[in-house]
Amino acid sequence: DAKTTQPPSMDCAEGRAANLPCNHSTISGNEYVYWYRQIHSQGPQYIIHGLKNNETNEMASLIITEDRKSSTLILPHATLRDTAVYYCIVRVRTGFKTIFGAGTRLFVKA
Amino acid sequence: KAGVTQTPRYLIKTRGQQVTLSCSPISGHRSVSWYQQTPGQGLQFLFEYFSETQRNKGNFPGRFSGRQFSNSRSEMNVSTLELGDSALYLCASSRGGVGSGANVLTFGAGSRLTVL
Repeated sequence: DAKTTQPPSMDCAEGRAANLPCNHSTISGNEYVYWYRQIHSQGPQYIIHGLKNNETNEMASLIITEDRKSSTLILPHATLRDTAVYYCIVRVRTGFKTIFGAGTRLFVKA
Repeated sequence: KAGVTQTPRYLIKTRGQQVTLSCSPISGHRSVSWYQQTPGQGLQFLFEYFSETQRNKGNFPGRFSGRQFSNSRSEMNVSTLELGDSALYLCASSRGGVGSGANVLTFGAGSRLTVL
């Protein structure tokens, strides 16, 4: 599985959009991009995933560049409860190692 | 539907002992993976099971082992515990197989192990 690179921390004002970048320059053609977040000491929670098209669900939007070497997770209206560590991973399917990087610690401030 | 259940949630052991952690996946999920999380090393992949077969293993010593039963429930075992094994152990399940949705991981709350 390809590795990912994320900034260690970011701040965001409450109510504003939070844009979290992820670099996955070694991604292969059949690897999906997944985003998870972990609120202190809880198990990570799935947010969204995509292959090459932009995706949106009730939690967030995922923008993947055309060359698939990077992506951005967008939380459109961040709240204090969105303060968490956000992990971007790339994964094909079961049977492959799942490599979590250090993630981005997002601080949403009032 | 019920989520991923991990037991026990908290446990304290002493060096040299062994521990067994249990994970019950979401009904219908055939893949179970295990992770160790420590403040210094972050989330590290331990191993993954699919239909009772270990499909991959992370870079951990042989003291760490696991298995999966026919009902997809999984256990992991750590023998001869060391202080450095103190961590949050997370289990995740997924449907498994090919396709994007099949590999979305649902995590349990974790088992927090303290080794004294």
